[in-house]
Amino acid sequence: KQEVTQIPAALSVPEGENLVLNCSFTDSAIYNLQWFRQDPGKGLTSLLLIQSSQREQTSGRLNASLDKSSGRSTLYIAASQPGDSATYLCAVRMTGYSTLTFGKGTMLLVSP
Amino acid sequence: NAGVTQTPKFRVLKTGQSMTLLCAQDMNHEYMYWYRQDPGMGLRLIHYSVGEGTTAKGEVPDGYNVSRLKKQNFLLGLESAAPSQTSVYFCASSPMGGAREDTQYFGPGTRLTVL
Repeated sequence: KQEVTQIPAALSVPEGENLVLNCSFTDSAIYNLQWFRQDPGKGLTSLLLIQSSQREQTSGRLNASLDKSSGRSTLYIAASQPGDSATYLCAVRMTGYSTLTFGKGTMLLVSP
Repeated sequence: NAGVTQTPKFRVLKTGQSMTLLCAQDMNHEYMYWYRQDPGMGLRLIHYSVGEGTTAKGEVPDGYNVSRLKKQNFLLGLESAAPSQTSVYFCASSPMGGAREDTQYFGPGTRLTVL
């Protein structure tokens, strides 16, 4: 059974800092990996999707990397802003399946 | 284009009562999903559907039933609610579920409390 772990569970940084969120998974036979953002009381919004054959994806100040062999992904946020405060979830889709397995998320607080 | 909508937004039930949560999507997506989100447990899949008229069990299906009579709607039913079903419920949809670039689009959630 695939297990997805996110470290740290919570992170507090001052505005302007660069930061890294970590995601690890136990089964490397993944189809793709996604990072989602969830604001308090809201649904999830997809940020980046990395296919199993890719090493990284970038969108604006966000960069996600994937090392399938070691079972790890990182989400790098450059020049953090208070508006980045949210919970970030990592989700893995296994080859041959249409469902996602989610980590428990990292709650990020960026203070002005 | 409303995306994924969920009805109701909030609900309080008494133990043993029944209710149905409605999810609707206007993106012509084939795949739809129901999740529950609990503190410390993350997001867990309850049931999902790969097309109109189909349903399948997810990780935590017990105590729930689902129906997908129309492509745009996915209903989640609780026949006899229990306090353990107190949670936030999210519906999601995705285009085909098969392409590598497919992502899931989430609704705003339904907060359910069972007393």
